[in-house]
Amino acid sequence: GENVEQHPSTLSVQEGDSAVIKCTYSDSASNYFPWYKQELGKRPQLIIDIRSNVGEKKDQRIAVTLNKTAKHFSLHITETQPEDSAVYFCAARSASKIIFGSGTRLSIRP
Amino acid sequence: DAMVIQNPRYQVTQFGKPVTLSCSQTLNHNVMYWYQQKSSQAPKLLFHYYDKDFNNEADTPDNFQSRRPNTSFCFLDIRSPGLGDTAMYLCATSGGQVYGYTFGSGTRLTVV
Repeated sequence: GENVEQHPSTLSVQEGDSAVIKCTYSDSASNYFPWYKQELGKRPQLIIDIRSNVGEKKDQRIAVTLNKTAKHFSLHITETQPEDSAVYFCAARSASKIIFGSGTRLSIRP
Repeated sequence: DAMVIQNPRYQVTQFGKPVTLSCSQTLNHNVMYWYQQKSSQAPKLLFHYYDKDFNNEADTPDNFQSRRPNTSFCFLDIRSPGLGDTAMYLCATSGGQVYGYTFGSGTRLTVV
């Protein structure tokens, strides 16, 4: 089955700087890669996603890149703000299942 | 207008006392999922229904069962909860052209 690895597990950046989170996946049949943001006690919220026929996607301060050959994808957050502090999960969809990475706790320093 | 509704939001149950969590959806999605999320961990897939077809993950304990009586409802039954089953349980749906999930708000289960 699919296995998704994510790093780093914790990340602290200065407000205004960029943050990058990286993930790898194992199943070459995976075709959809969402990123979720989860605040304490709340459900995961989809922030951006990318399908396997696209190499890059951007939405305001958030971008995702996908390298199918290497089976890795990354989340980039620019001009970080205090409200970006949360746990971020990458995920990969294979068949009808989405498998999550282990999560990155992002802290934004004022 | 909530589209995936989980009840209850919080549940406390005694060790060994059966408990049922419910999920309903108004999206008419054909796939429904149950995830377990323990503190500071990623959501872990327990099982999912593709229409009426039940798909169990290999490492889901036998203590966990699920029912889907119709398209709109799905239940998670924990037959004999242990202290290690304390977690957030998330229901999600997907269907049609939607590749991603729509999550419910979750049920936070505490076993005492």
